[in-house]
Amino acid sequence: EIVLTQSPDFQSVTPKEKVTITCRASQSIGSSLHWYQQKPHQSPKLLIKYASQSLSGVSSRFSGSGSGTDFTLTINSLEAEDAATYYCHQSSSIPRTFGQGTKVEIK
Amino acid sequence: EVQLLESGGGLGQPGGSLRLSCAASGFSFSSYAMSWVRQAPGKGLEWVSGISGSGGSTDYADNVRGRFTISRDNLNNTVYLQMSSLRAEDTALYYCVKDSFSGSGDYWGQGTLVIVSS
Repeated sequence: EIVLTQSPDFQSVTPKEKVTITCRASQSIGSSLHWYQQKPHQSPKLLIKYASQSLSGVSSRFSGSGSGTDFTLTINSLEAEDAATYYCHQSSSIPRTFGQGTKVEIK
Repeated sequence: EVQLLESGGGLGQPGGSLRLSCAASGFSFSSYAMSWVRQAPGKGLEWVSGISGSGGSTDYADNVRGRFTISRDNLNNTVYLQMSSLRAEDTALYYCVKDSFSGSGDYWGQGTLVIVSS
């Protein structure tokens, strides 16, 4: 099973700051890494697929990078509405796995 | 508009069974794999099971294999999760997820809550 480890677990950030969340895979997964945002009491929402591919309807403040075992989600100029928990997810092999989540709080 | 509507959750007895359903609309259902992902109260996301568009291929997490069965009805655009030998640790909100061709979950339902307790 591929283990995804996110860091940090929690981040308290001031509006307009940049947020960086990392996701490390226990073995190479190519670019089969996706990022989700989950706000309280809501279903997860896909933000980035294939490590760096942006999606229609998702703010351009969200970007992803990386390949192999190390990946990054960047949120530029954080806004209050970005308060959420962010998860990485790999679809390279079964069982598909998720990172433990990173909670982003707005100061 | 893609819609995924889960049902079938509720209170299940330890060792008992429940059947979850997910009615899909707004896309060519048989062309896409579907998954079930669960979230225990206050915890993170856990992939449970997936099924190919044709239904010919299924996968399971190790902790549910042999107890849960995923299936689909492409005529009625519905995916199911038959849950047996329920355990307390199966208590969670179960999401139905449409898989994109990348393997990412591009649409999620609102979830159906399963509570396993005597």
